[in-house]
Amino acid sequence: DAKTTQPTSMDCAEGRAANLPCNHSTISGNEYVYWYRQIHSQGPQYIIHGLKNNETNEMASLIITEDRKSSTLILPHATLRDTAVYYCIYTTSGTYKYIFGTGTRLKVLA
Amino acid sequence: GAVVSQHPSRVICKSGTSVKIECRSLDFQATTMFWYRQFPKQSLMLMATSNEGSKATYEQGVEKDKFLINHASLTLSTLTVTSAHPEDSSFYICSARSLAGSTEAFFGQGTRLTVV
Repeated sequence: DAKTTQPTSMDCAEGRAANLPCNHSTISGNEYVYWYRQIHSQGPQYIIHGLKNNETNEMASLIITEDRKSSTLILPHATLRDTAVYYCIYTTSGTYKYIFGTGTRLKVLA
Repeated sequence: GAVVSQHPSRVICKSGTSVKIECRSLDFQATTMFWYRQFPKQSLMLMATSNEGSKATYEQGVEKDKFLINHASLTLSTLTVTSAHPEDSSFYICSARSLAGSTEAFFGQGTRLTVV
């Protein structure tokens, strides 16, 4: 069973920041949080991951709460090409198995 | 990021025949590869974990005799759907994790299988 909870869908205006929340209240101390996105009929694309600290790369920022029970993916300036299903996942360092939840369907509006 | 390639990207086969899907890590070595299946408008479902040089580990409910997985080298894993039926029509996706110790996995572009 999926261990993360995400909103089913969200809309965002083009050029604005998209903030996608994820609840992972059962995460353990050594488990990373990963974010991927899937554009229609393609394989998931890696976005970012983190353990405790906030992370930023060229695609997005990841904010992890201090208790690590939730996180937020931020796309700072959403474009129409960011329309996709976004998945938040965590996995133990021993198995690396990703169990996908239903994800958030983000629609960026012109 | 690292590149994972799947082949073919799309295949149509007749009911009762077998189909092989290849998953290659192009610029890194992968000790572990994973196979997923995705039905329309649904999320990815993990089918099996493939470790180089050993037998694959299948998730509950996945028939190992129907979905044969071979991971003969550090850059190649194959999934063979045997005696395919129309209900096996789906989007099959592989992922691979680098041997180098990074924790994120990279996904192939997927294979659309249609059984007629």
